[in-house]
Amino acid sequence: AQSVTQPDIHITVSEGASLELRCNYSYGATPYLFWYVQSPGQGLQLLLKYFSGDTLVQGIKGFEAEFKRSQSSFNLRKPSVHWSDAAEYFCAVGEGGADGLTFGKGTHLIIQP
Amino acid sequence: DVKVTQSSRYLVKRTGEKVFLECVQDMDHENMFWYRQDPGLGLRLIYFSYDVKMKEKGDIPEGYSVSREKKERFSLILESASTNQTSMYLCASNSGGATNEKLFFGSGTQLSVL
Repeated sequence: AQSVTQPDIHITVSEGASLELRCNYSYGATPYLFWYVQSPGQGLQLLLKYFSGDTLVQGIKGFEAEFKRSQSSFNLRKPSVHWSDAAEYFCAVGEGGADGLTFGKGTHLIIQP
Repeated sequence: DVKVTQSSRYLVKRTGEKVFLECVQDMDHENMFWYRQDPGLGLRLIYFSYDVKMKEKGDIPEGYSVSREKKERFSLILESASTNQTSMYLCASNSGGATNEKLFFGSGTQLSVL
């Protein structure tokens, strides 16, 4: 069965600093990988996704993620965070089709002024 | 704009009540999903449906049922609500096909069972 681990429950970053959120997955084949963001009181919004091809994917809001098969990782990065990036971030893995996604437990990002 | 609409933002129910959570999408999506979100547990899949009148159990279906009589509507039913079903419930949808896994989410229904 597929699974997703986000090792950091909370991360605090100063505004303007760089960010990296970690995600490790367990899956037998080539996974479909996603990062979603949830702002307070909102549903989830897709930041970026990886299906195949270039292992560095660009997303919305200045985020990017790199797929590393050897490390079973799909870490999310942003070079300079803004206060509006404070939110809950979820990594997810899917196998295609209609079976839905398996989500990690989320990382709560706090931005310090 | 594409939209997934959940009928209630907040619900308060009593133990033992039958509860209906409604979700409607306007994107003609084949697939619809119900997740629950709990602090420290992330999102967990309850049920999903890939076609009208079709349903599949997710990871935590116990205590829940679903109904999909029309393509655009997917209802989650708590037959006899219990306090451990107090949670945020998120509905999502996407189109069929292996390459489009992007899920569109509703804003969620925060259910409190007293």
